[in-house]
Amino acid sequence: DTGVSQDPRHKITKRGQNVTFRCDPISEHNRLYWYRQTLGQGPEFLTYFQNEAQLEKSRLLSDRFSAERPKGSFSTLEIQRTEQGDSAMYLCASSKRETQYFGPGTRLLVL
Amino acid sequence: SQELEQSPQSLIVQEGKNLTINCTSSKTLYGLYWYKQKYGEGLIFLMMLQKGGEEKSHEKITAKLDEKKQQSSLHITASQPSHAGIYLCGADETGNQFYFGTGTSLTVIP
Repeated sequence: DTGVSQDPRHKITKRGQNVTFRCDPISEHNRLYWYRQTLGQGPEFLTYFQNEAQLEKSRLLSDRFSAERPKGSFSTLEIQRTEQGDSAMYLCASSKRETQYFGPGTRLLVL
Repeated sequence: SQELEQSPQSLIVQEGKNLTINCTSSKTLYGLYWYKQKYGEGLIFLMMLQKGGEEKSHEKITAKLDEKKQQSSLHITASQPSHAGIYLCGADETGNQFYFGTGTSLTVIP
């Protein structure tokens, strides 16, 4: 399968714990995006990488959130000191040009 | 920032019926994308429209972008249960940030 993959698919954690999600984009896609989606809403943009450079960050991305793409390939999204409001689906997408291709998402539940 | 409004929010149709979903922008669209999402899963790319008046079709789904590039419609002909899901329109404002509408939930009754 050469699509975008995300790991884990599901994560349950206790409030205050740190979590890290991984996204593997389609190979040769130099752009990578992170989104957050809550129930009944469309995805909300969080951040964007072109190769290893993080070019855009939404104001939704508080200082508890950090994203990296160290070698311009896979990316990680870390949430520190999780809160119940962080419960959502975290989606990753990659693109070579304009069209973004999405992974299956990581569903986070913070208890 | 870009705002995308979709209507209707939800739609229930009988199998075989036609339907239309609309997406309206508060700003001129430089690129409009349609995606489909199965409940609890990632998004599947359907179509991208860039030029005013452009129309694209794939199987029984047709999408149009109006001349002023502020509204797009997605039309499904002879709907099937496989068309059920959430339809999302999306657009980029600066080329780096991407915005989605709130989605239209489609149920097709066999």
